[in-house]
Formats: sequence, C-alpha cells, structure tokens
Amino acid sequence: KAGVTQTPRYLIKTRGQQVTLSCSPISGHRSVSWYQQTPGQGLQFLFEYFSETQRNKGNFPGRFSGRQFSNSRSEMNVSTLELGDSALYLCASSPSLGANSPLHFGNGTRLTVT
Amino acid sequence: QQQVKQSPQSLIVQKGGISIINCAYENTAFDYFPWYQQFPGKGPALLIAIRPDVSEKKEGRFTISFNKSAKQFSLHIMDSQPGDSATYFCAASFDSNYQLIWGAGTKLIIKP
Repeated sequence: KAGVTQTPRYLIKTRGQQVTLSCSPISGHRSVSWYQQTPGQGLQFLFEYFSETQRNKGNFPGRFSGRQFSNSRSEMNVSTLELGDSALYLCASSPSLGANSPLHFGNGTRLTVT
Repeated sequence: QQQVKQSPQSLIVQKGGISIINCAYENTAFDYFPWYQQFPGKGPALLIAIRPDVSEKKEGRFTISFNKSAKQFSLHIMDSQPGDSATYFCAASFDSNYQLIWGAGTKLIIKP
C-alpha cells in the first residue's frame, strides 16, 4: 500500500505570497490532518478533515486554510506568507476520525519564506 | 490543563545502553498515550501506544511504562542501537473527537 504523499517536498516563497500544499492519503483513509513542525514549537496541529468537512481546528490564524476532496485528497493554503511561516508542514492520514486512530504521516513539505 | 511535558529535550546514550524519555500530563481524562518516532527527513511514525488500564506495554526493545497516580508515562529503549537515533514524541488524547496533544520532542543520539 502506498504511503501518504505530500507535494511538493520543498518550496521557497516570498513574504506576502500565498502557497498551496497537497496531500494524498493512504488509500481507504478518510481522515486527513495537517501539522506545522518547527524546531522551537514542535508539532502544532492545524486542522483535521473527514469526509470533506473540517472537524477540528488548531490555534492558527485565518491565513491558514484547507480543504478535502471527495477522494480524500487534501490541500492546505497559506495566504499572505510571513517569515514565521517557514516550517515543515506534515500531513497525516488515518482510517477514521479522532485522536485515538493511528496517524500515518507523509514526509512533509519544507516551506521557506524569504 | 492540556499540556504534555516531555523531557529531556535531547539525550545521548552509548550503544547497548538504556534510553529513557519521560512525559507528564495534568488532565486525568487522557486515555490514550502514543509515542511517535521521527527520523531526519521523514514524518513521524507510530512506535507504540498505551491506555491507562495497563501499567506497562512492551514491543521488542521498546517499553512504555505508565504511572497513573503520578500522571507520568515513559519510553524505555533497551539495548539502544545507532539506528534508534531519532526524535521521539509522546502524545496524549482523551476523546475520540479531539486531536492529540503533543510533547515537545526528544532528540536521541546513540553513540556507537
């Protein structure tokens, strides 16, 4: 079974621009979560989608948004990029909704904002 | 309190030694405690998980010890190997509709 695929692996953007990251979950997994990982802050939860609906949201500004498609693939968008948005963005899929369902992470998208 | 406090931040252990990483929590409603392992350039992967109805769970060289009264749980890696060098995250959750609360991570280095 193919794992979670995130594209692109690396991105360099300029402050003020917007960016879209993509995540393809493991086949059959309906829940997709997004995390921001930085050296100082660890893993910070962004949001979770299940059946095309956002079910949980972390404490991030509205510049961070996401969506899930009918095939469970997900995208996250960050608008008006700031230098502090530089991070590794991880996507995780799981078979069902909820924290107790094991998360399967992709290898992330490394975003650098200059 | 939703926090999970993880220590140490970094750890260096000789090959063959025991690596111990500790986590503490406040919310007694937490009922699921997983550990994730992350290698450089990779996403985290579930290593082992425990629920509060047991005090210990072992999978190969990896053991979770759980102390409900102290609100602490720890990961022990026996006979640590250089291939165990990674960042380890503990986490906790208390409801199937809530996301995991993550510890800050421990960077483990096993010296040959």
